[in-house]
Amino acid sequence: DTEVTQTPKHLVMGMTNKKSLKCEQHMGHRAMYWYKQKAKKPPELMFVYSYEKLSINESVPSRFSPECPNSSLLNLHLHALQPEDSALYLCASSSGHYNEQFFGPGTRLTVL
Amino acid sequence: GESVGLHLPTLSVQEGDNSIINCAYSNSASDYFIWYKQESGKGPQFIIDIRSNMDKRQGQRVTVLLNKTVKHLSLQIAATQPGDSAVYFCADLDPQGAQKLVFGQGTRLTINP
Repeated sequence: DTEVTQTPKHLVMGMTNKKSLKCEQHMGHRAMYWYKQKAKKPPELMFVYSYEKLSINESVPSRFSPECPNSSLLNLHLHALQPEDSALYLCASSSGHYNEQFFGPGTRLTVL
Repeated sequence: GESVGLHLPTLSVQEGDNSIINCAYSNSASDYFIWYKQESGKGPQFIIDIRSNMDKRQGQRVTVLLNKTVKHLSLQIAATQPGDSAVYFCADLDPQGAQKLVFGQGTRLTINP
């Protein structure tokens, strides 16, 4: 299985809502990543987990809260988001940091 | 700022022709580079990678060239097909924090029938 899955595919939420994005991989990868991608822009790194521990936080606002419950799962908890947070949120995993990252299809998030 | 950039935001080629997408990087210490393809509504898909101890690497219909002297990277796609239409990103791994992949702005490749 060489696939990274993400749910939901689309999410619409209000600024007072709490929601979560989920990512799963069964490739045995120990590094997992969250990226944010705005329209017509490249992906921008948000968080890196290595062996289930947060190793990089790219100064992301606290309204985004990542969680890695086990080596196969990665969550991104969302609370009190702003309309400018609307974007495609991509999850990726890799077997090592000097190896290719496999990306999921993303969750298209709209904040009203 | 970003360590990678692209020369052209868009590129159109005729089906069957070869295409070349260019990328420049600024950090001479960068030592690992990846090309990704992103189709509309999908996540980036790995195409090919190259490490700094190589000048050239070939895959199926794709070739990546690395010129460390001028800090330039290119992706050549041979005999382009309609399915090659996508946005192509080069990315490099920050050698100071090897977990951080930095993407260039992307080139939109359109294959004309």
